[in-house]
Amino acid sequence: KAGVTQTPRYLIKTRGQQVTLSCSPISGHRSVSWYQQTPGQGLQFLFEYFSETQRNKGNFPGRFSGRQFSNSRSEMNVSTLELGDSALYLCASSLDGQNYGYTFGSGTRLTVV
Amino acid sequence: AQSVTQLGSHVSVSEGALVLLRCNYSSSVPPYLFWYVQYPNQGLQLLLKYTTGATLVKGINGFEAEFKKSETSFHLTKPSAHMSDAAEYFCAVRLNTGFQKLVFGTGTRLLVSP
Repeated sequence: KAGVTQTPRYLIKTRGQQVTLSCSPISGHRSVSWYQQTPGQGLQFLFEYFSETQRNKGNFPGRFSGRQFSNSRSEMNVSTLELGDSALYLCASSLDGQNYGYTFGSGTRLTVV
Repeated sequence: AQSVTQLGSHVSVSEGALVLLRCNYSSSVPPYLFWYVQYPNQGLQLLLKYTTGATLVKGINGFEAEFKKSETSFHLTKPSAHMSDAAEYFCAVRLNTGFQKLVFGTGTRLLVSP
């Protein structure tokens, strides 16, 4: 059974640009969560989607947004990139995000220059 | 709000020695507890989780953890370290009601020397 797939693995963007990251969850999983990992702040929750609806959102500015498609694939978008957005972005999928565990992808390493 | 404290940002052991990584949590209600491992340039891999039931939880790669409510702890142990155990380990907590985000500790890097 395929795991959680995140694309691309690496990205380099310039300040002010926008970026879209993609996450394909495990087949049958309907919940997708996104986390940001940085050396300074550690792992922080961005948002969670279930059946195309955002159920929960972390404490990030509005520049960070996401969506989920009917096939459960999810994208997150960051607009007007700042140097501080450089991080490893991790996606986690779960059957329902409540009673089952989370499986993480390998992440997308975003570098903003 | 729940939180996690991992004591020691780095732990060094010799190959074959006991591994003990400490995790204390704070939660207003009974929590679900997790240990994840992260290898360089990789995502997080679930080692084990505690939800309900038996307080001693066995995970993959010979790791286990014990949920101690009175001590609000969920320490990770392995009887004999292997070189391949060198990685970063994260303890995480979430509430056991509805959807709740995972709240992670700051991580402990395990170094294993021959």
